[in-house]
Amino acid sequence: GAGVSQSPSNKVTEKGKDVELRCDPISGHTALYWYRQSLGQGLEFLIYFQGNSAPDKSGLPSDRFSAERTGGSVSTLTIQRTQQEDSAVYLCASSALGSSGANVLTFGAGSRLTVL
Amino acid sequence: RKEVEQDPGPFNVPEGATVAFNCTYSNSASQSFFWYRQDCRKEPKLLMSVYSSGNEDGRFTAQLNRASQYISLLIRDSKLSDSATYLCVVPFSNTGKLIFGQGTTLQVKP
Repeated sequence: GAGVSQSPSNKVTEKGKDVELRCDPISGHTALYWYRQSLGQGLEFLIYFQGNSAPDKSGLPSDRFSAERTGGSVSTLTIQRTQQEDSAVYLCASSALGSSGANVLTFGAGSRLTVL
Repeated sequence: RKEVEQDPGPFNVPEGATVAFNCTYSNSASQSFFWYRQDCRKEPKLLMSVYSSGNEDGRFTAQLNRASQYISLLIRDSKLSDSATYLCVVPFSNTGKLIFGQGTTLQVKP
């Protein structure tokens, strides 16, 4: 697609429920990132996928969080047994390695999660 | 030391002023760096890349000091439309993992 697409744009859920957030990256981009941004805070790294390599999961805050990327394209971030502190905007970004070898990120508009 | 550190501000400056932000990083092996701009309740967007000693794009200049492990962003002749949060981004592994600073907020006043 023309840009990174995320769904849902807004999700309100009750504490203890599971949620799935979806990211559809730019076609051909091999790298996909998930970040979390709480109100007034910076971006917190969650997980990074690069091609067929094992994902870098070092930012996942607990074992309630998991993510997968099927067929090297669409990614789903799953949060099990949601807690109020999970409330945040979840941002997905994709990139293709530039001529310098560096990753320039294009972000989606984010999924705003509110846990009541 | 945090992986990436920025002064959160806010920096309040009048139109036409010159303002500079610094970003320090802990991983001396990092090679390329980025500044992103984030408007309120919007996603971040790339502002500038910094691959060597620096980069200039119009009113914006980014500089890299590898010895002291910091990058800076200079904005000349500030416009009202420059009001935003500026995020410093540093790669933290040879796998491409990118870490964001907490951002520096700029408010340009008339």
